[in-house]
Amino acid sequence: NAGVTQTPKFQVLKTGQSMTLQCAQDMNHNSMYWYRQDPGMGLRLIYYSASEGTTDKGEVPNGYNVSRLNKREFSLRLESAAPSQTSVYFCASSEAQRFVLGRSQETQYFGPGTRLLVL
Amino acid sequence: GQQVMQIPQYQHVQEGEDFTTYCNSSTTLSNIQWYKQRPGGHPVFLIQLVKSGEVKKQKRLTFQFGEAKKNSSLHITATQTTDVGTYFCLNYGGSQGNLIFGKGTKLSVKP
Repeated sequence: NAGVTQTPKFQVLKTGQSMTLQCAQDMNHNSMYWYRQDPGMGLRLIYYSASEGTTDKGEVPNGYNVSRLNKREFSLRLESAAPSQTSVYFCASSEAQRFVLGRSQETQYFGPGTRLLVL
Repeated sequence: GQQVMQIPQYQHVQEGEDFTTYCNSSTTLSNIQWYKQRPGGHPVFLIQLVKSGEVKKQKRLTFQFGEAKKNSSLHITATQTTDVGTYFCLNYGGSQGNLIFGKGTKLSVKP
């Protein structure tokens, strides 16, 4: 099993260009996530998909769109890239997502990341 | 909204010294997970704590969840160069989509 895969690994964009980051998982997980990681800021959730056919905003969704293409794939799109979107982007998946207090949560499995530079 | 403060931000130790990172919250945490990210790598799950006062060990790593479930710690005994990386705590907040990562503690180990 490959786990969580992401493409591309690196990308340089000019301001205003668009691109789509691809993510796929082969663990039959229900939930998928997109994070960005900036120095000193930790990991911040952009969007998530609790199950196939659903997507929801996370902490920092502005400037991004997502598509849960099927159970395996979850893509992140930048319609008009800005320098502030320079970051490392991680996709993750988990078996399920439960937010009921007191119940255990599933492990998140991360992809290798995409390093994006917007000039 | 709920926040998780992680301290310290950086820690430099001599190989063989101990290391501790803390996650603190002003509100009760439902549970907490710990992740490790090696330089240039991606976060990897270490452990999950659910019960008040819970203590779990993995070789030289000891994880604790406070009695009030408002804080947690990760302690490494006798650090090795392989421990280098950034350690994050993660809390699933009370509302859907409220995933809260601590900002991480970056550990460097001098041989």
